[in-house]
Amino acid sequence: EVQLVDSGGGLVQPGGSLRLSCVASGFTFANYAMNWVRQAPGKGPEWVSIISDSGDTTFYADSVKGRFTISRDQSKNTLFLQMKSLTAEDTAVYFCAKGFRGSGGYSAYFDNWGQGTLVTVSS
Amino acid sequence: ENVLTQSPATLSLSPGERVILSCRASQSVTSHLAWYQQKPGQPPRLLIYDVSSRATGVPARFSGSGSGTDFTLTISSLEPEDFAVYYCQHRSRSLFTFGPGTKVDFK
Repeated sequence: EVQLVDSGGGLVQPGGSLRLSCVASGFTFANYAMNWVRQAPGKGPEWVSIISDSGDTTFYADSVKGRFTISRDQSKNTLFLQMKSLTAEDTAVYFCAKGFRGSGGYSAYFDNWGQGTLVTVSS
Repeated sequence: ENVLTQSPATLSLSPGERVILSCRASQSVTSHLAWYQQKPGQPPRLLIYDVSSRATGVPARFSGSGSGTDFTLTISSLEPEDFAVYYCQHRSRSLFTFGPGTKVDFK
């Protein structure tokens, strides 16, 4: 059974930093692209970032580009999101999500999700 | 950026009713369109991918269709566990976008 366990959220002051983690199990972690998706209170999901299966390619939403860094440790089956220069607009539940290709040659969807970790940016 | 809009924002229905949810893209979509279901306190669940393929374990009452810029998710007969928010999602190049969602609640 696929399991994704997110952690690392908490209360942080504006301008602060935080590092999220996601431990994966139940599948061959190194074979799949991984994502972070966030959801602000009462809002819909917003994709944040993706990292390729090998870890050599990353993409970011414009809203976090230059402030967030996605990475992965294949030996520990763990996904990370390093966040800096946080603002109130970054307040959300952050989910890690496993990439799913469908019929295409690249990861276009999210087929397994963690339970999420809450990040609150407030003074 | 390909913007997704969903209508209606809310649908008030009774169990057993047929449901048709709409997702419209601002630019033509290839086949990479998905639908998710989300219940309170839970992460989204992938229902449909590639416009019309059901994800593993998704009941046959859920179906997806459409092409170009107009897509629909149909629930043939609403079950009590189907009351939730539904989102469409698309990937274009290096960007993933979600629609704003349609809430299906009890009449």
